[in-house]
Amino acid sequence: ETGVTQTPRHLVMGMTNKKSLKCEQHLGHNAMYWYKQSAKKPLELMFVYSLEERVENNSVPSRFSPECPNSSHLFLHLHTLQPEDSALYLCASSQDLRREQYFGPGTRLTVT
Amino acid sequence: ILNVEQSPQSLHVQEGDSTNFTCSFPSSNFYALHWYRWETAKSPEALFVMTLNGDEKKKGRISATLNTKEGYSYLYIKGSQPEDSATYLCAFHAGNNRKLIWGLGTSLAVNP
Repeated sequence: ETGVTQTPRHLVMGMTNKKSLKCEQHLGHNAMYWYKQSAKKPLELMFVYSLEERVENNSVPSRFSPECPNSSHLFLHLHTLQPEDSALYLCASSQDLRREQYFGPGTRLTVT
Repeated sequence: ILNVEQSPQSLHVQEGDSTNFTCSFPSSNFYALHWYRWETAKSPEALFVMTLNGDEKKKGRISATLNTKEGYSYLYIKGSQPEDSATYLCAFHAGNNRKLIWGLGTSLAVNP
């Protein structure tokens, strides 16, 4: 139990669906991250929020839309995804942008 | 282009063997080097954050060294146990960058 929770753990969605991934951290951290993990690729940073402000948007397609309503919650809104977006999506948090990151269990997303 | 290389890609050892693997990273503009352990069906877990050239850190049977001038870090496991089986990831943090650059990891399997 890392103090970072993610829901749902598994998600299957069609290309026309709209869904959201949720992440919550109970560690009092100020930074939160979304990562994408695809097979045989390094962890790919998607978005970084520090003190609820987006500080990094790593050229992610607009069909992925992050939202950080407060320092404990992070969402990833998904719409009109492609099959190649199927992957494990990991959320992480850290005390600040320089410290070690604590990861949630991930959401395994399948786009059909 | 910042690149982080890890070797070997995978490793099989017998219980009780000691082992080590390598992380190579850019030798310029260094800020920190992170090591994480990722067990199957769990979240990545931070092992070490190393910032000083020549630094050595230890956590139980696992230790790591850092050479920022030549751009490498070694992770050592003494007397491997089956519960050490995991993927070991390193990530490089450049001084002028907010994000971690991740390696592909070394997958360790310890046979009982």
